[in-house]
Amino acid sequence: AQRVTQPEKLLSVFKGAPVELKCNYSYSGSPELFWYVQYSRQRLQLLLRHISRESIKGFTADLNKGETSFHLKKPFAQEEDSAMYYCALRQGASNTGKLIFGQGTTLQVKP
Amino acid sequence: DVKVTQSSRYLVKRTGEKVFLECVQDMDHENMFWYRQDPGLGLRLIYFSYDVKMKEKGDIPEGYSVSREKKERFSLILESASTNQTSMYLCASTSWGSGNTIYFGEGSWLTVV
Repeated sequence: AQRVTQPEKLLSVFKGAPVELKCNYSYSGSPELFWYVQYSRQRLQLLLRHISRESIKGFTADLNKGETSFHLKKPFAQEEDSAMYYCALRQGASNTGKLIFGQGTTLQVKP
Repeated sequence: DVKVTQSSRYLVKRTGEKVFLECVQDMDHENMFWYRQDPGLGLRLIYFSYDVKMKEKGDIPEGYSVSREKKERFSLILESASTNQTSMYLCASTSWGSGNTIYFGEGSWLTVV
């Protein structure tokens, strides 16, 4: 069965410290992986996707098929990064766009 | 600008009431979704629709039904609300094709008392 696991409910770091939000997935095919972010009082929005191989707001994520992981990283956390982060998987061949989400990790960046 | 609009941001309903949550998108998307967001459980898919009048069950459809009479509108119905349906409900939409972004509404916070 497809599954996305985010092992940390809360990650608390100081401003300027490196951040790594963990995401592991279970899927036998060729997945598409995403990170979504929800800032306080805002709607859930796409942060980045693995197929774009881009850096958004200083965040990057690399798909590691061997370890079935898609960890989100940022070298220097900022206070405005504080938010709820969700890792999500979409079946590679799916055209419906249906996403499977992880449990979410709250990132708290302290001044 | 892309828009997914959920008509009710906050609702309080009594146990046993019938509840309608409405969602409208203005992007001509074929696919629409209803998720439930709970702390520690993430987002769980209730139902989705890939075309007008078409629907499929998600992971937690029990106690819910949906309606999609027009392409832009996707309604979630709680036939007889229960306290365990107190939650944040998120509507989303996307178009066909891999790689397309899913857009979310602001959410409807439902409290059943």
